[in-house]
Amino acid sequence: QVQLQQPGAELVRPGASVKLSCKASGYTFTSYWVNWVEQRPDQGLEWIGRIDPYDSETHYNQKFKDKAILTLDKSSSTAYMQLSSLTSEDSAVYYCARSNYDYPWFAYWGQGTLVTVSA
Amino acid sequence: DIQMTQSPASLSASVGETVTITCRASENIYSYLAWYQQKQGKSPQLLVYIAKTLAEGVPSRFSGSGSGTHFSLKINSLQPEDFGSYYCQHHFGTWTFGGGTKLEIK
Repeated sequence: QVQLQQPGAELVRPGASVKLSCKASGYTFTSYWVNWVEQRPDQGLEWIGRIDPYDSETHYNQKFKDKAILTLDKSSSTAYMQLSSLTSEDSAVYYCARSNYDYPWFAYWGQGTLVTVSA
Repeated sequence: DIQMTQSPASLSASVGETVTITCRASENIYSYLAWYQQKQGKSPQLLVYIAKTLAEGVPSRFSGSGSGTHFSLKINSLQPEDFGSYYCQHHFGTWTFGGGTKLEIK
């Protein structure tokens, strides 16, 4: 079965960076993009960007271009999102979700990683 | 950039009632629209894609409609498990989400 596994939580100091992971299983990793979505406390969903494991091509929401970097490790079927220069505004749950050109909606989601930025 | 506007932002209804949530796109998005349900502390779950196609396992009391710039999600005969938040999403281009609708028990 399709699974996207994410760590449950990360505690990070202000000004630091964090690298979140999303390990895929149950399908051919290179056949689906990995998307990342932010959800701030009691707020809605915001798409951050996506990476294509086939060729590592990335597309970003302009809002997150200077905040997030998407990478991946094909050998372990894992996608990563690095968030930099963290502030309290970046405290949120970050989800990964898969899609592709033929199935562009998000049918499968990870459980989300809660990032808390605090001294 | 395409903006997605949902209404209402919150809604209170009773079990057995029928409710409708609407989503408006700032420009024509054809039928590239999905709806998701999210329960507190959980990941969103896909309900509808391509505006009106129910995702696998979604009860038939849910229905999606619309095209172009106006869309709606209708829930017939609300069940206790239907309460939560609902989001529309333009599922192409920049994958923009609507602001969400919180459906609460009256």
